Amino acid sequence: KAGVTQTPRYLIKTRGQQVTLSCSPISGHRSVSWYQQTPGQGLQFLFEYFSETQRNKGNFPGRFSGRQFSNSRSEMNVSTLELGDSALYLCASSVRLQGTEAFFGQGTRLTVV
Amino acid sequence: AQSVTQPDIHITVSEGASLELRCNYSYGATPYLFWYVQSPGQGLQLLLKYFSGDTLVQGIKGFEAEFKRSQSSFNLRKPSVHWSDAAEYFCAVGARDGATNKLIFGTGTLLAVQP
Repeated sequence: KAGVTQTPRYLIKTRGQQVTLSCSPISGHRSVSWYQQTPGQGLQFLFEYFSETQRNKGNFPGRFSGRQFSNSRSEMNVSTLELGDSALYLCASSVRLQGTEAFFGQGTRLTVV
Repeated sequence: AQSVTQPDIHITVSEGASLELRCNYSYGATPYLFWYVQSPGQGLQLLLKYFSGDTLVQGIKGFEAEFKRSQSSFNLRKPSVHWSDAAEYFCAVGARDGATNKLIFGTGTLLAVQP
């Protein structure tokens, strides 16, 4: 069974640009969550999707957004990039919305210059 | 506030020695409990989880963890460490109530293994 696939693996963007990251969950998993990992703040929850609806959102500015498609694939978008957005962005998928473990992808390393 | 504490930022052990990584949590009720491992530049791999039942849980790669309700702890152990265990380890909690898989992570413990 294929794991969680995140694309691209690496990205370099300039301040002010926008970026879109993609996540394909494990087949049959309907819940997708996103996390930001930085050396200073650690692993922080961004948002969570289930059945194409955002179910939960972390404490991030509105520049961070996401969506989920009918096939459970998810994208997250960051607009007006700032240097502080440089991070490893991790996607996790779960079978259902509660009471189950989350499986993580390899992440997308975003560098903002 | 909900939080997870991993008091040891960095630990060095010799290959073949035993290992215990500490994790304490602050939560309204007993949460779901997880340990993940991360190699440099990689994603998180689930080592083990506690949902209910036996408080001593077995995971992959020879790891185990014990849930102690009275101490709000979920410490990770391994009887004999291998060089390939060098990585960063994260303890995480998830809510039992509410429809969410949101995890709250500790700050991680970086494990180095000496030959």
